[in-house]
Amino acid sequence: EDQVTQSPEALRLQEGESSSLNCSYTVSGLRGLFWYRQDPGKGPEFLFTLYSAGEEKEKERLKATLTKKESFLHITAPKPEDSATYLCAVQIYGNNRLAFGKGNQVVVIP
Amino acid sequence: ETGVTQTPRHLVMGMTNKKSLKCEQHLGHNAMYWYKQSAKKPLELMFVYSLEERVENNSVPSRFSPECPNSSHLFLHLHTLQPEDSALYLCASSQAGSYEQYFGPGTRLTVT
Repeated sequence: EDQVTQSPEALRLQEGESSSLNCSYTVSGLRGLFWYRQDPGKGPEFLFTLYSAGEEKEKERLKATLTKKESFLHITAPKPEDSATYLCAVQIYGNNRLAFGKGNQVVVIP
Repeated sequence: ETGVTQTPRHLVMGMTNKKSLKCEQHLGHNAMYWYKQSAKKPLELMFVYSLEERVENNSVPSRFSPECPNSSHLFLHLHTLQPEDSALYLCASSQAGSYEQYFGPGTRLTVT
C-alpha cells in the first residue's frame, strides 16, 4: 500500500538553529511531491513541487530536496514566524489524488 | 476577494440538522476538492470535481453530498451527521491536470 511518512512528528528549535524535516514515501510511480505549510486555524499554503530525484527548490529560509525514496525540507536559521505544521504530499501516476503525510509540527523559540 | 474562500468559518450543528458549506475560488481554476482534516490524521480527500464533473468520490458516506454548479463554486451539503464527523473541512482548487492545489481557510465543524 502506498504510504507517506513524515518525521519528526514535532520539533522545537531555538531561533537560528537549522534543522531538516523528512518525508519518506513508498509509492509506485511518483509523479510529484508537494510541500505545504499550515498555520493553526488556516488552510495549507502551497510551498514547493518536486518532480524528479536530485531536484531542489528554495524559498527564503526553506529548501526542499528530493531523492528516490524521500524528501527533505531544510530550514536554515529559522525565525519564530517559521513556526507551523509542514505537510508533505505525493501524487501518483494514474491517480487523481494527493496522498498526505501527518505533518511535521515545528515550533521556533525566540 | 482573492484566493479560495470558505463560509462559514465555524459551524455547530446537531445530528438532525441540515447545513451546507460553501467554497468559492477566485483563481481561474477548473478543478475543486473537498478534504477532511481530523486531529493527528493526514488530510483525507473526499471529493474531486474537474471541469464541473465529479471525478472522485473517496468512499464518503451519503450524509455528505457535494455540488459544483460552476467552476468557481463548490458546496458540501450535510445532513444527519455523526459526532465523529467533527473536523476541519477544507476546500481546494487547481488547474485540471495540475496538483498544485490552493486551499481555503477551512470550516471548523462541530457535531453535537
